[in-house]
Order: sequence, then C-alpha cells, then structure tokens
Amino acid sequence: DSGVTQTPKHLITATGQRVTLRCSPRSGDLSVYWYQQSLDQGLQFLIQYYNGEERAKGNILERFSAQQFPDLHSELNLSSLELGDSALYFCASSAGPRGATEAEAFFGQGTRLTVV
Amino acid sequence: AQTVTQSQPEMSVQEAETVTLSCTYDTSESDYYLFWYKQPPSRQMILVIRQEAYKQQNATENRFSVNFQKAAKSFSLKISDSQLGDAAMYFCAYKTGWYGGATNKLIFGTGTLLAVQP
Repeated sequence: DSGVTQTPKHLITATGQRVTLRCSPRSGDLSVYWYQQSLDQGLQFLIQYYNGEERAKGNILERFSAQQFPDLHSELNLSSLELGDSALYFCASSAGPRGATEAEAFFGQGTRLTVV
Repeated sequence: AQTVTQSQPEMSVQEAETVTLSCTYDTSESDYYLFWYKQPPSRQMILVIRQEAYKQQNATENRFSVNFQKAAKSFSLKISDSQLGDAAMYFCAYKTGWYGGATNKLIFGTGTLLAVQP
C-alpha cells in the first residue's frame, strides 16, 4: 500500500460526458502529480500541484482541468470525453519539490476510465 | 528537455537466471535522480530502486541492482535470481534534482515488458 488513494478504481462513461477523478496523497505529502497511461503509450505527465498551487503542466488537454484543495487532496476533471480518453489515470504524491528524501513519488492504484 | 529511452520493448528470462534491462537518458543537468518502477499486471506502479546522480556507488535492493554510468548517461537494472513474480513492465524514470526547478515531475521511458519463464 503506497498510501496514495485514488477513487474510483473503475469508471465507464459515454462520450461527451464529464467525470471527476479523486486523489488523496500520502499523509504529509505536498506535491500531487497526475499521469495518463494509454494502452499504446507510456506514462504521460499531465499536471502537478504543490501545496494548492499549480506547479507545472504537461500534455494536458484543454478539456481537462485539475485542482488541489486545502486538505491537499486533488481532483482531475475530464470533460467532453472522447473515446481516445480511455486510459489509466494515475495520481502520485511526494513530500515536496526539493531534497533527496523528497525525491520519491508514490503512486496510487489508478483509475481506469473507459469511454464508450 | 530531458528524455529517457528504453530500447528493449520486451525481454525474457528463465526463472533463477539473471537479466539486465537497459535505459539511457539525456540531460544537461548534473543533479538528478533515476528510478526503476515495476508495473505488474495489477497495473500498480511500484518503486523498485532509486539512484542519486551524485552518488558513485550503484544502488542495490536485494536481488535488484543498477549499473549507473553517469558519463555515458546509462542506467541499467539487473535482476538476479529471477522469480515468476518479477514478470512485469519495467519503467525507467528521471527526476531533476535542481532546487530551482519549476517541477520535479518524473519523466518515464516507454517501458520494457519482462517475461519470466518457469
């Protein structure tokens, strides 16, 4: 158990719909990262939050958005869903942006999104 | 920008044998971290081993060890006494160690699928 909790584990929805994925980081971790893993691609970085503020954006579509709340949990919102958005979405957390002890990122079990 | 390359899409090893997975990376930074993550069929991402770039000594974790060649920008993973439970996708990953960086996100290679034959 990594200590990172993602809900739901599975999600099936129709094209055009909107869904919200939730992530609770490890206790004390300030950074949250979202990654997308499609069947034919590796792990693509979407976005990072640090202590409530957006830190970096990767290959995140405009239809996608995220936020980190004061209690440090994070949500990834996916809207106007397309078939190609079907993927495994991972959340990871780490203690912060600096320091060797903070370098490790721990992953949740992922949310498997299927768009039909 | 930093990149990570895993040139072996698939590898196979006999149980109890040793296998080495390759990884190369490109960076202009001198301070960084390298990782190997394991993704079994459950799809959970599990940290296998970590290497700090400033450390010359290669990291080891039980049956897992790395060969870190900083000048060559090479970071291979050796699995000794392979077990059936080692069958998984293995990802090599890079993370900046620069304090002033905007982000310390993990940059992943494309993965190597390891099969373990009984």
